[in-house]
Amino acid sequence: DAGVTQSPTHLIKTRGQHVTLRCSPISGHKSVSWYQQVLGQGPQFIFQYYEKEERGRGNFPDRFSARQFPNYSSELNVNALLLGDSALYLCASSLERQGLGYGYTFGSGTRLTVV
Amino acid sequence: SQQGEEDPQALSIQEGENATMNCSYKTSINNLQWYRQNSGRGLVHLILIRSNEREKHSGRLRVTLDTSKKSSSLLITASRAADTASYFCATDANPGRRALTFGSGTRLQVQP
Repeated sequence: DAGVTQSPTHLIKTRGQHVTLRCSPISGHKSVSWYQQVLGQGPQFIFQYYEKEERGRGNFPDRFSARQFPNYSSELNVNALLLGDSALYLCASSLERQGLGYGYTFGSGTRLTVV
Repeated sequence: SQQGEEDPQALSIQEGENATMNCSYKTSINNLQWYRQNSGRGLVHLILIRSNEREKHSGRLRVTLDTSKKSSSLLITASRAADTASYFCATDANPGRRALTFGSGTRLQVQP
């Protein structure tokens, strides 16, 4: 079985541009979460989606948005990119909404560089 | 904000030695999880311990949880060069914040 797949793996964007990151969860996982990891820090929670509905949102500006599709894949969109948005963006899937009793399976991430 | 704080921030040991990493957190939790990350890649789930558990083992890993002190430790026994990575604790809080809150991580270097 394929793990969590993210695309693209690397991306370079200019300040002010828009970016869309994509994630396909493990088959059967209905929960998808997005995390931002700035170099040298632990991941920070951005969003969680379960059954196509937003179930949790972290402390990120409205420039960040996401959605989940009927096949449970997900997109993270970031508008008006800032230099500080440069980070590794991680997608995680789990069986349950809160991952109770289960760990999360993470993808390899998308490395976004804003110049 | 980071809920968990790992200690030490960096650890260098020789192959065969044991490595112990500690994690402290601030709020009540459903469970606490440990993850490994190699060179800025995706995180790999290592072990999950529930709030009503005190100790858990998985292969060469031993995790303890002390909810009264809001702390956890990860012990890697008989370390190998392949264990070189960053290790993060993450809390799944109680109640209802549907997110993992990660610490800042411990960078472990195992010298061959």
